[in-house]
Amino acid sequence: DSGVTQTPKHLITATGQRVTLRCSPRSGDLSVYWYQQSLDQGLQFLIQYYNGEERAKGNILERFSAQQFPDLHSELNLSSLELGDSALYFCASSMDGSTDTQYFGPGTRLTVL
Amino acid sequence: GENVEQHPSTLSVQEGDSAVIKCTYSDSASNYFPWYKQELGKRPQLIIDIRSNVGEKKDQRIAVTLNKTAKHFSLHITETQPEDSAVYFCAATHSGSARQLTFGSGTQLTVLP
Repeated sequence: DSGVTQTPKHLITATGQRVTLRCSPRSGDLSVYWYQQSLDQGLQFLIQYYNGEERAKGNILERFSAQQFPDLHSELNLSSLELGDSALYFCASSMDGSTDTQYFGPGTRLTVL
Repeated sequence: GENVEQHPSTLSVQEGDSAVIKCTYSDSASNYFPWYKQELGKRPQLIIDIRSNVGEKKDQRIAVTLNKTAKHFSLHITETQPEDSAVYFCAATHSGSARQLTFGSGTQLTVLP
């Protein structure tokens, strides 16, 4: 157990819908990262937050957005879902966003039908 | 941006033999190189990492070597066991305010009993 929690574990929805994925970092960690893992794209960085502020953006679609709340949990919002959005979505956390070690949560498996 | 290439994509070894997985990176500013093990449907789990100021690091049966001049790093697993079977990912990141990881494409390691 890494100490990073994610909910829900599984999510099945239809094309065009909107979903929210939630992540709670390890106690004391200020930085949260979101990654997408799909069969054809591998593990790809989406976005990073540090202490409530966006710090870096990767290959995140405009239909996707995220935020980090004052209690440091983070949410990833996916809208206008397409079949290709089906993937495992992982959240990771690190202490301050400049130290190196990232610990991953158990992931949310999103299936878009 | 950073690009990480990983080889081989699949690797089968006999129990007790050694396994070696190699990665190359493109960004000479990268200075942190973690390795993650991922079992099917589970989260990536950090198994070892190395920073650019050292050339080798060991942890029991696992070792990582880094050649900054050639921009490549390798994972070595000795005395492999069936429970070592998993997908292994290398990753790289560099100093700065954003520490997002760029992952290799993964190696499916199978240890045959």
